[in-house]
Amino acid sequence: DAGVTQSPTHLIKTRGQQVTLRCSPKSGHDTVSWYQQALGQGPQFIFQYYEEEERQRGNFPDRFSGHQFPNYSSELNVNALLLGDSALYLCASSSGTGVLGGYTFGSGTRLTVV
Amino acid sequence: AQSVTQPDIHITVSEGASLELRCNYSYGATPYLFWYVQSPGQGLQLLLKYFSGDTLVQGIKGFEAEFKRSQSSFNLRKPSVHWSDAAEYFCAVGAANNDMRFGAGTRLTVKP
Repeated sequence: DAGVTQSPTHLIKTRGQQVTLRCSPKSGHDTVSWYQQALGQGPQFIFQYYEEEERQRGNFPDRFSGHQFPNYSSELNVNALLLGDSALYLCASSSGTGVLGGYTFGSGTRLTVV
Repeated sequence: AQSVTQPDIHITVSEGASLELRCNYSYGATPYLFWYVQSPGQGLQLLLKYFSGDTLVQGIKGFEAEFKRSQSSFNLRKPSVHWSDAAEYFCAVGAANNDMRFGAGTRLTVKP
């Protein structure tokens, strides 16, 4: 049984570019949450998708957007990249929108903005 | 909104010694509490969780944590640390219909 799969594992982008990160949830999970983890810090909540809609959002600008597909997979898009967007982006899947279903995390995508 | 404070940025213990990592939370209702571990460049692995009931919860790898409502704390403990326990540890708080929020983490170094 595959866990949460994120792609790509690493990528390098230039300031001002746009990037798309992908996440496939664990089998049986229908909710995807995205987190940004800057170096030396804890994960910061970006947003959560359930039933193909954004259900909750953290304190991130509109440059960060997402999408969830009918198969529950999700994308995170970041426009107009800034150097400060360099971080490990973690995807977590769960069953339902709350934490009772348990979060399963992927290994993350390491984004470097130069 | 819920929040978590981990007062210790970095802790060093000798192999075989006991360990306690501190976590304080802020949340108006009954919290759901978690401890995760992260090895360098990796995702987060769940060590244990508290939802309700017995305030002392057992987790994987010999870890346990105690929920103390009066102190708004959920400290992680292990009686004897192994070199392989060296990692970053994160405390997190969530709610039934809300997302999960993390502390800044505590980096554990294990001396031989």
